[in-house]
Amino acid sequence: GAVVSQHPSRVICKSGTSVKIECRSLDFQATTMFWYRQFPKQSLMLMATSNEGSKATYEQGVEKDKFLINHASLTLSTLTVTSAHPEDSSFYICSARNTGSYEQYFGPGTRLTVT
Amino acid sequence: GQQLNQSPQSMFIQEGEDVSMNCTSSSIFNTWLWYKQDPGEGPVLLIALYKAGELTSNGRLTAQFGITRKDSFLNISASIPSDVGIYFCAGSGGSNYKLTFGKGTLLTVNP
Repeated sequence: GAVVSQHPSRVICKSGTSVKIECRSLDFQATTMFWYRQFPKQSLMLMATSNEGSKATYEQGVEKDKFLINHASLTLSTLTVTSAHPEDSSFYICSARNTGSYEQYFGPGTRLTVT
Repeated sequence: GQQLNQSPQSMFIQEGEDVSMNCTSSSIFNTWLWYKQDPGEGPVLLIALYKAGELTSNGRLTAQFGITRKDSFLNISASIPSDVGIYFCAGSGGSNYKLTFGKGTLLTVNP
């Protein structure tokens, strides 16, 4: 149980284009999903908290107009990187929290490369 | 804000040895979680701790929630090559369910 999928696993896009990443909880309903960014050899950096049916809460320094988050159902959240630039290249990981639990289950991550 | 100090940063051990790593916090947490991350993948939850003083095992892994609620340790007994990876501690204390992560411990196991 507690499986989270992420799609795509890898994406290469050109500078100026937008990329959408999907995060799905496969066997549980996730009231809250989280989006993280991870640079090589570093820990996970929380970007935003996504609550089903409401606006996402962004961490300080994260541009909400650049990183659009939608959490339309209890099993799906999406992150759209708009007008991507090479500095947006990173490993993006989502996690999902089961209702009533502090435990977060992570997706396998998406490697974004912007050329 | 809350900060987690995780140590050691890295460990090089021989197969069969036991390993211990720990995290300390500047503030109290209600929940401690330990994760393992393999290269290019998302973290996998190993153990969750909910009560101060709680000691929980998962196979060869044992973790404890410190009495002060500001620290936790993870032990791995009889290490094997597949234990290689980065281990993260994470604490949560607020109603927003956000996790604060340690910087990770890179474990290398020599066969």
